[in-house]
This record gives sequence, structure tokens and C-alpha cells, in this order.
Amino acid sequence: QVQLQESGPGLVKPSETLSLTCTVSGGSISPYYWSWIRQPPGKGLEWIGFFSNSGSTNYSPSLKSRITISVDKSKNQLTLKLISVTAADTAVYYCARDRGSNGGFDFWGRGALVTVSS
Amino acid sequence: QTVVTQEPSLSVSPGGTVTLTCGLSSGSVSASFYPSWIQQTPGQAPRTLIYTTNSRSYGVPDRFSGSILGNTAALTITGAQADDESDYYCVLYVRGAFRVFGGGTKLTVL
Repeated sequence: QVQLQESGPGLVKPSETLSLTCTVSGGSISPYYWSWIRQPPGKGLEWIGFFSNSGSTNYSPSLKSRITISVDKSKNQLTLKLISVTAADTAVYYCARDRGSNGGFDFWGRGALVTVSS
Repeated sequence: QTVVTQEPSLSVSPGGTVTLTCGLSSGSVSASFYPSWIQQTPGQAPRTLIYTTNSRSYGVPDRFSGSILGNTAALTITGAQADDESDYYCVLYVRGAFRVFGGGTKLTVL
């Protein structure tokens, strides 16, 4: 069974960079698409972007200028970097295995809460 | 800007049937948007129930079904149970690349 685990600092200062890692176990990261999704407290889900099995990326237009998503195949890890954070970036961040051109997500991590505050 | 619309809240009686819908602020939802439905119980990680319009994820009870109804995607729960009380999100595959979530439907079973 594929399992995903997000990890990273729970507190980030305004204007700094948020960095999260998603470790994939129970299967290889290589053949699949992988997405990051976030959920501000008390609000709905927001797609951030994906990393594809061909190495391409696609990002939400609203976040595109601040995001980098990458994959380390040797570690079976997905990473998210979000620069110049503000309080509006406070959220639970989820990684998910993305079904690519077939739409949707088939495995989700448990999520990591990141608070942006000085 | 693509806006995906869902009912903010719905209620259903135990054992009853309820249909949640997923539409677009402009245009119709079809199978080519590969609609997917996600369940989230408060404090829990999301769980995908339905993908590609009407395919159930492994382990999802058959009381959950997906379809296209008119110009929307739909999730129907037949024989609702107390533990179906959750938030439900649809997500669409837009313009061949982007994923866009609806605002979610809070389902109450009472």
C-alpha cells in the first residue's frame, strides 16, 4: 500500500520560504504524477501544482510566481518550496499521488500544518 | 478563471438518498473534465471516493456513485449512514493541465 508522509517546519516567518517534503513509501515515485494541495484553516482545498512522470511541472496560476515543485527519485521524495510567504499561506499542506490525464488523486498524505507568523 | 460550484450545505436523513452536484460558473461539466469526488471528515486527511466521473476508489462502498447529470457532475449517496457526515469536494481537470477544486459541500445526516 502506498503511503505518503509530509514533513517540514511547522512555523515560518513572513517573507521567508516554506519548504516541505513528502516521502513516498510502498511504491516508486517515478512512474506517477504528484501534486501538492493545501487547505487554510476552516476553508476548502486548493490545488497548488504537480510534478509529472516526465519531469514537467504545472502550477496554479495564482501561485505560479512563488512555487517550485521537484522530485528526488533517489530518495523517493517530492518537495515544495513557496517563497515570500504571508499569513494567507497558513494552511495544512497535503501531498497526493495524482492520476495525471485521468484526473483526480488516488493516495493522500495526512497533511502538515504550516503557520506563517513572526 | 475557472470557478467550480458546489452546494455549500445539504442534509439527508439516515437511510435516505442525496445528490451533490459540481458545476462550472461558465459552461457545462462533462466527462472530459474527469470529475473526481473527495470526502473529508473534520480533522482527517481527504479520501478520494470517485474518479473519472463514476469509478469508485478501492474500498469505497457502492452506496456512493458518480455520474453526469445534465450540465453538472454528481455524487449520489444511497442509503446514507451517520458516518457519511463529512465535507465533500469535487475536483475537475481543466484545460488539460490544471486541477480546480469546488468550494465543498458540508453534508449533515440527521
